[in-house]
Parts: sequence; structure tokens; C-alpha cells
Amino acid sequence: DSGVTQTPKHLITATGQRVTLRCSPRSGDLSVYWYQQSLDQGLQFLIQYYNGEERAKGNILERFSAQQFPDLHSELNLSSLELGDSALYFCASSEGAGIYEQYFGPGTRLTVT
Amino acid sequence: AQSVAQPEDQVNVAEGNPLTVKCTYSVSGNPYLFWYVQYPNRGLQFLLKYITGDNLVKGSYGFEAEFNKSQTSFHLKKPSALVSDSALYFCAVRRDNYGQNFVFGPGTRLSVLP
Repeated sequence: DSGVTQTPKHLITATGQRVTLRCSPRSGDLSVYWYQQSLDQGLQFLIQYYNGEERAKGNILERFSAQQFPDLHSELNLSSLELGDSALYFCASSEGAGIYEQYFGPGTRLTVT
Repeated sequence: AQSVAQPEDQVNVAEGNPLTVKCTYSVSGNPYLFWYVQYPNRGLQFLLKYITGDNLVKGSYGFEAEFNKSQTSFHLKKPSALVSDSALYFCAVRRDNYGQNFVFGPGTRLSVLP
């Protein structure tokens, strides 16, 4: 158990809808990362937050947004969902913002129908 | 731009034999390199990292990796494979600058045969 929790574990929704994925980092970790894992794209870095502020941005679509709250949990919002958004979404956390190993949560499997 | 290549989709090795999972990278500036492992239906687990110093890095579960700057490689190795090592392995790289993100390779599936 990495200490990172993600909810929900599974999510099934229809195209055009909006969903929110939630992540709680390990105790004491200030950085949160979001990744998308799909069969055709592999593991793609989406975005990183450190202590409430956006730190790095990857291949995150404009339809997606994220934030980190004062209690350090993070939410990833996915809107106007398309079939291609179906994937595993992982959250990871690390102690700091720099070159630290990341601890991954179990993931949220999103299915868009 | 940063990139990571894992030239083998699949590696098969007999239990007890040494294993190597290959990784090459492309990055301007100093690279920071990582290996992660993913078991079925689980998130990724950190194995080891190279930041600076000794080119041979030792990590979890008996794994090690060798950083080779001239060949831009960071191959993962283990002297004696276990069936329980069967999993998906990811190499990742990040530059040493603020705001840079991690780039993961496509993954290599390791199968250790009894």
C-alpha cells in the first residue's frame, strides 16, 4: 500500500458528461501528479501541483483541469467526455517538487460509453 | 524535448537467470532517471533512481541499474530472476529544471518462466 488513495475505483459515464476524480496524497507529501494510462498512449503525465500551486504541465487537454486544495488533496476534472478519454487515471505524490520518487495510487478506471 | 525508449515490448527469462530490461533516453541537460514496476491492476511502484554520483544504482527487490552517459542508457538488471518479478516495467526521465515533467517509456513486459 503506497499510502495514496484515489476515489472512485471505477467510473462509467456517457459521452459529453463531466466527472471528478479525487486523490489524497501520502501523509506529509506536498506534490501531487496526475497521469493517464491507456493502451494506445501509454502512461502520459498530465499535471503536477506542489503545495496548492501548479508546478508542471504535460499533455493535459483543455477539457481537463485540476486543483490541489489547502488540505493537499487534489481533484482532476474531466469534462465534455469523449470515448477516447476512457483510461486508467493515476494520482501520485512525492515529498517535494523536485526529483523525488513518486508514490502511485491504485488508479481510477474511467469508461466513457 | 525529452523522450524515453524501451526497445523491447516483451522480455522472457527463465527463473534463476539474470535479466536485463533496456532503456535509452534523450534529454538536453542532466537527466534524472527512474525505474518503476507495475503489477496487474495496481499502480506503479518505485524501484530506483539515478540523480548523480555512482553510475550503478541499487534499488528495491534486488534490482539495479547502470547509467551510461555515452550511450544514453539506463538498463535495469537483476542477477537472478524470480517468477514474482513478472510485471510491466517503466523507465522514466526528467530534466533537472524547475517545471519539467516526467516522461515515461512505453513499458516492457517481463515474464519470468518457472
